[in-house]
Amino acid sequence: GIQVEQSPPDLILQEGANSTLRCNFSDSVNNLQWFHQNPWGQLINLFYIPSGTKQNGRLSATTVATERYSLLYISSSQTTDSGVYFCAQNTGNQFYFGTGTSLTVIP
Amino acid sequence: SQTIHQWPATLVQPVGSPLSLECTVEGTSNPNLYWYRQAAGRGLQLLFYSVGIGQISSEVPQNLSASRPQDRQFILSSKKLLLSDSGFYLCAWMGGTEAFFGQGTRLTVV
Repeated sequence: GIQVEQSPPDLILQEGANSTLRCNFSDSVNNLQWFHQNPWGQLINLFYIPSGTKQNGRLSATTVATERYSLLYISSSQTTDSGVYFCAQNTGNQFYFGTGTSLTVIP
Repeated sequence: SQTIHQWPATLVQPVGSPLSLECTVEGTSNPNLYWYRQAAGRGLQLLFYSVGIGQISSEVPQNLSASRPQDRQFILSSKKLLLSDSGFYLCAWMGGTEAFFGQGTRLTVV
């Protein structure tokens, strides 16, 4: 199956700092998505980004499909950004999730 | 808009007892539905998915089963729980570019 690797596995930031999360894929990139899981377990879809760049407020994502990776940028981090960030690729009927990056933003 | 209802939110069950987790979807028809399990830490493990009524695909051989008795209902079951069944169970609807998750059930088998 498709292998999805995320880095770093854990990240601690001071409030206001910026960060970059990375997602590497073993196969061609299709229907790539980024999710945020808050500390209570709720998963929210952040971006659908099979290629190119998208921005939503302080978050932006870039996918370079030819090189099989995607980046999630968080600028001016806030404590509410804490949680686990997952990337996932959808092929057919299945989503393959990475192991996630656990982000803790401290005030 | 699509909404996923999942219950209960938390559950503590003794080893050997049965399990039934229910997930219902609103706002869409003929959805692709999924059950995931997340062990302590991270990692979403796909357990089952269904593309329609009565159609179940199992990804991981285990102590669990799933059923889809209605278009917008997906049920996760077990006849006899094991300690290793503990975890956070998430129901999801996924279609094209969209994905919606339920709020999850935290199951502790004691």
